Amino acid sequence: GAGVSQSPSNKVTEKGKDVELRCDPISGHTALYWYRQSLGQGLEFLIYFQGNSAPDKSGLPSDRFSAERTGGSVSTLTIQRTQQEDSAVYLCASSPQGGPYEQYFGPGTRLTVT
Amino acid sequence: EDQVTQSPEALRLQEGESSSLNCSYTVSGLRGLFWYRQDPGKGPEFLFTLYSAGEEKEKERLKATLTKKESFLHITAPKPEDSATYLCAVQGNSGGGADGLTFGKGTHLIIQP
Repeated sequence: GAGVSQSPSNKVTEKGKDVELRCDPISGHTALYWYRQSLGQGLEFLIYFQGNSAPDKSGLPSDRFSAERTGGSVSTLTIQRTQQEDSAVYLCASSPQGGPYEQYFGPGTRLTVT
Repeated sequence: EDQVTQSPEALRLQEGESSSLNCSYTVSGLRGLFWYRQDPGKGPEFLFTLYSAGEEKEKERLKATLTKKESFLHITAPKPEDSATYLCAVQGNSGGGADGLTFGKGTHLIIQP
């Protein structure tokens, strides 16, 4: 079946602009996660959704970052007033349910802030 | 705070030369330890989940084991297509509905023909 999809695959933006990154999880998966992978760094957890609610936003690096999920499916990660340090690959993952179960990752969105 | 340390950072092997990758972790109540494979320009691909010390799982040339402090990914008679970055991650009982994984920085494995 179809895996996790993300769009766009690449995004180049100017410093100070807002960007929206989209994630389509595997159909039927109730849990959705956003991570960030920077050069030389490991994957960094950002936020977790169970259904449409986000019980854990602890990983969001600043109040410029926000995310929402509608209809228990598609999620959007928004970064306002982008900074150069926001440049990274943003990865989305989904899981059949929350908890210690395998998370299936999408291909990621490579964000470059110039 | 959960922590994951992987070693070595990079490993170059000849085809057929078996070896092991290490993942050391500290976590407040392990709920699960995960191994992923990541190819350049792609998202991580799930390999294994281990839940308790003593548990082992196998898939083709890969075998993952778990103790209370570390996990090993054993690669037997590797082939060039096994070349990738292997990532280890943990999920602990951090509370507050925290289901995010804590990842190590990975081991970059190169298998030479």
